[in-house]
Amino acid sequence: NAGVTQTPKFRVLKTGQSMTLLCAQDMNHEYMYWYRQDPGMGLRLIHYSVGEGTTAKGEVPDGYNVSRLKKQNFLLGLESAAPSQTSVYFCASSTTRGYSEQFFGPGTRLTVL
Amino acid sequence: DAKTTQPNSMESNEEEPVHLPCNHSTISGTDYIHWYRQLPSQGPEYVIHGLTSNVNNRMASLAIAEDRKSSTLILHRATLRDAAVYYCIRNYGGSQGNLIFGKGTKLSVKP
Repeated sequence: NAGVTQTPKFRVLKTGQSMTLLCAQDMNHEYMYWYRQDPGMGLRLIHYSVGEGTTAKGEVPDGYNVSRLKKQNFLLGLESAAPSQTSVYFCASSTTRGYSEQFFGPGTRLTVL
Repeated sequence: DAKTTQPNSMESNEEEPVHLPCNHSTISGTDYIHWYRQLPSQGPEYVIHGLTSNVNNRMASLAIAEDRKSSTLILHRATLRDAAVYYCIRNYGGSQGNLIFGKGTKLSVKP
């Protein structure tokens, strides 16, 4: 099993450009999450999904949109990138929400100029 | 506050035990304590989690205080590979809660 994979690994954007980050998991997990991590900080939850076709806001959702059209995929979109969105983005998945292990992907390093 | 309190950094010697403390004085009765670690340039990795009683697995042990206001992650024999940032997390909101990460403790392991 590949676990949780993220595409792309690195990306540089100009202010105002848009992009989509893809997260895929092959563990048949119901729950998926998008986090961002700024230098020297812990992870902050952007959006999460409790199942196919559902999404919900996390701690820092502004400027991001998400979609979960298929159970195994969770997409994170930036419609108009800003320098404040420069960060490392991690995707995770789990079988339950609060009580089980979350499996994390390797991260996407995004720089917005 | 939903976050936990940990020391910013700790040092250990290789092959010695390490005790990483965490305070969570506002924890509610249904919140689990989770520990994750993050090696440099990698995503976080699950270590252990528990509710009330002490827990053991192949990676570590988790000792939870009787009043649940604090806990300690115990690495029985530190290796160089254990050098990482360790996050003590409560899943604020019980079974429907999300993990709330703090800044964690950066553990250095000396040969």
